[in-house]
Amino acid sequence: AQSVSQHNHHVILSEAASLELGCNYSYGGTVNLFWYVQYPGQHLQLLLKYFSGDPLVKGIKGFEAEFIKSKFSFNLRKPSVQWSDTAEYFCALRKTSYDKVIFGPGTSLSVIP
Amino acid sequence: EAQVTQNPRYLITVTGKKLTVTCSQNMNHEYMSWYRQDPGLGLRQIYYSMNVEVTDKGDVPEGYKVSRKEKRNFPLILESPSPNQTSLYFCASSPWDRSYTEAFFGQGTRLTVV
Repeated sequence: AQSVSQHNHHVILSEAASLELGCNYSYGGTVNLFWYVQYPGQHLQLLLKYFSGDPLVKGIKGFEAEFIKSKFSFNLRKPSVQWSDTAEYFCALRKTSYDKVIFGPGTSLSVIP
Repeated sequence: EAQVTQNPRYLITVTGKKLTVTCSQNMNHEYMSWYRQDPGLGLRQIYYSMNVEVTDKGDVPEGYKVSRKEKRNFPLILESPSPNQTSLYFCASSPWDRSYTEAFFGQGTRLTVV
């Protein structure tokens, strides 16, 4: 069965620090990978996605992620975080548009001004 | 504006009192689903629907029902809510498109069962 794990449950950073959130998945076939963000009290919004092609994916708000197939990883990065990045971040995978989205447990990011 | 709309946003109810959470999307998506979000567990799928009149169980369907009589609506029904159904619920939709697998999520419904 497919699954997604995230390395950190809670991350605390100061503004301007660099961010890397780890994500690993288990599935041997072709997958679509996502990072969703959930700001306090809001719904999930798509940050970026990987479908195929360039393994370095750029998303909104300065986020990027790198798909490393050999490591089954899809880590999220941002060079300089802001207080407004405080949110919960979910890594997710989906085999096809006919399948469910499988989420990781989430990483809570707190950015201190 | 393309969106998934859930109602209500917040709901407090008592054990055993039937309730319905509505979900509507205006993007003509075929696939719709319900998730519940619990701390440390991420989001888990409750039920999904591939199209009108086609529904199936997800990972945690016990205690829930759904229906899909129209393409745009996918209500979640709790016939006899219990405290362990206290959670944050999200409805999502997506098109049947090989190259477009992104799911769109509603604003969420925070349900408390006392």
